[in-house]
Amino acid sequence: DAMVIQNPRYQVTQFGKPVTLSCSQTLNHNVMYWYQQKSSQAPKLLFHYYDKDFNNEADTPDNFQSRRPNTSFCFLDIRSPGLGDAAMYLCATSRGLLAASSYNEQFFGPGTRLTVL
Amino acid sequence: GQQLNQSPQSMFIQEGEDVSMNCTSSSIFNTWLWYKQEPGEGPVLLIALYKAGELTSNGRLTAQFGITRKDSFLNISASIPSDVGIYFCAGLSNSGYALNFGKGTSLLVTP
Repeated sequence: DAMVIQNPRYQVTQFGKPVTLSCSQTLNHNVMYWYQQKSSQAPKLLFHYYDKDFNNEADTPDNFQSRRPNTSFCFLDIRSPGLGDAAMYLCATSRGLLAASSYNEQFFGPGTRLTVL
Repeated sequence: GQQLNQSPQSMFIQEGEDVSMNCTSSSIFNTWLWYKQEPGEGPVLLIALYKAGELTSNGRLTAQFGITRKDSFLNISASIPSDVGIYFCAGLSNSGYALNFGKGTSLLVTP
C-alpha cells in the first residue's frame, strides 16, 4: 500500500542534543510537509518542500531545519532541542496545490513522539 | 495560518446515535478536509470537499462544503465505539499550502 512512513515512532533526546526525525513516502507526491502537534492542539505547519523548493513558515524557529535529498525522503533536524519542543511531529504529503482538486489532499504519517529530557 | 472555529469541542454519546460537528472560518476556502486522529497516531483523511454546496459521503460519514465557502459540517450516523477519536476540520485557501485547522472535536462513544 502507498503510504507515509515515519521513523522512529518514539524518540527521546536530551536538552540541547541534536536530533533528526525521518519521513519517507511511497506515494510519489511532489510536496512533503512537517507539522508540530502539541498535546490537545491542532497540527501546526513548520515548513514544506515542493520538490526541492523549501518553504519555511514565518514563525518556525531557526532551531528547526529540514532536508529533502530525494522525492521519497524528508528529514526534520532539531539543532538544540528545548523542553518546549517536546511534541508529536507529523510528516504529510500531497500531490501539489491546485485550486479545488484532490491535489490538495494531505496524507499524514503516524508521527514521531519526541520527548526532551 | 488562521484558526478555524470548530464545535462542539467534545461529545459524549451512546452507540447508535448520530453526531454532527461543524467548522466556520472568516476566510473563504477552496478545499475543506475532515480528518480523524486516534491517540498516538497521525490524522487520517476521511472526506475531501472542493466545491461550494458539495455534499459527499464516505460510509456513515457525510460532509458538506458550505455555500458561502466559509463553513463545513461533518455528520456521523449510527455511531459505533470505533468512531472514538478527535475529528479535525481543515481548510485550504488560494494563498498557500498551509492547512488551517480547527481545534478538533473529541468524540467518545459508549457501548
